[in-house]
Amino acid sequence: AIQMTQSPSSLSASVGDRVTITCRASQGIRNDLGWYQQKPGKAPKLLIYAASSLQSGVPSRFSGSGSGTDFTLTISSLQPEDFATYYCLQDYNYPPTFGQGTKLEIK
Amino acid sequence: EVQLVESGGGLVKPGRSLRLSCTASGFTFGDYAMSWFRQAPGKGLEWVGFIRSKAYGGTTEYAASVKGRFTISRDDSKSIAYLQMNSLKTEDTAVYYCTRDRAPGGMDVWGQGTTVTVSS
Repeated sequence: AIQMTQSPSSLSASVGDRVTITCRASQGIRNDLGWYQQKPGKAPKLLIYAASSLQSGVPSRFSGSGSGTDFTLTISSLQPEDFATYYCLQDYNYPPTFGQGTKLEIK
Repeated sequence: EVQLVESGGGLVKPGRSLRLSCTASGFTFGDYAMSWFRQAPGKGLEWVGFIRSKAYGGTTEYAASVKGRFTISRDDSKSIAYLQMNSLKTEDTAVYYCTRDRAPGGMDVWGQGTTVTVSS
C-alpha cells in the first residue's frame, strides 16, 4: 500500500496566519490526492480534489498544489472556523490511504 | 439536497454480525461508486471498501483488514448501499461513514456516521 506521510502532526497558529500542510507519497500518485477537513464529532469534508481543484462551496483561502509525490495544502489567512484536523487521501490505487492528520489549533 | 444517512450501528459481541445501511437522496445514486470509511475512537481515518456503479460492473474492493469478513452491496432501486459485517472483532469498533465516490475527484459527500461498538 502507498504510504502517505503528512506533516506536521500538529500546528498552532493565529487567526490571519498563512499555514501550510504537506503530504508525501511513498510512490508517485500523479495528482490523485484530496484534502479533507474534520471537526470534532463531525464527518470529514472535502476541500481539495485532484491535488489542486477547489471543491464547490469551499472558501478560496484554501488551495492545494503538487503532483507525483509531494503535495501541499495552504490556508492563506486562517479564520476561526478553520481550526480542525486535516487529512490528505490518495486515491491513485487501492487501498486508498490517508496521511496521519494535522491538528490545527489556535495559538 | 444531496445527502447520505447511515443507520444500523450499535453494540455487538465479538464474532457476531451487523449490517449498516447508507441511504442516499438528492442525486442519481446509481451513477456513483460508493465507499465506506471508518474511524476508531481517537484515531485517524481508514478506508474500508468500495463498490463501483453498475456501469462499471458493480464490483467491489476491500481493505485487507476486512476482506473476507465484510461485504458491500447496493440496491440502486432504493438508493441504498450496505455494509455487511461478519465475524466482528473488537478492533472493528469505530464510527463508520459512507461516501459518494467521485473518483477521480474525491469523496464529495459524506454521511454523518454511525457508531459500531464490538465488545463482550
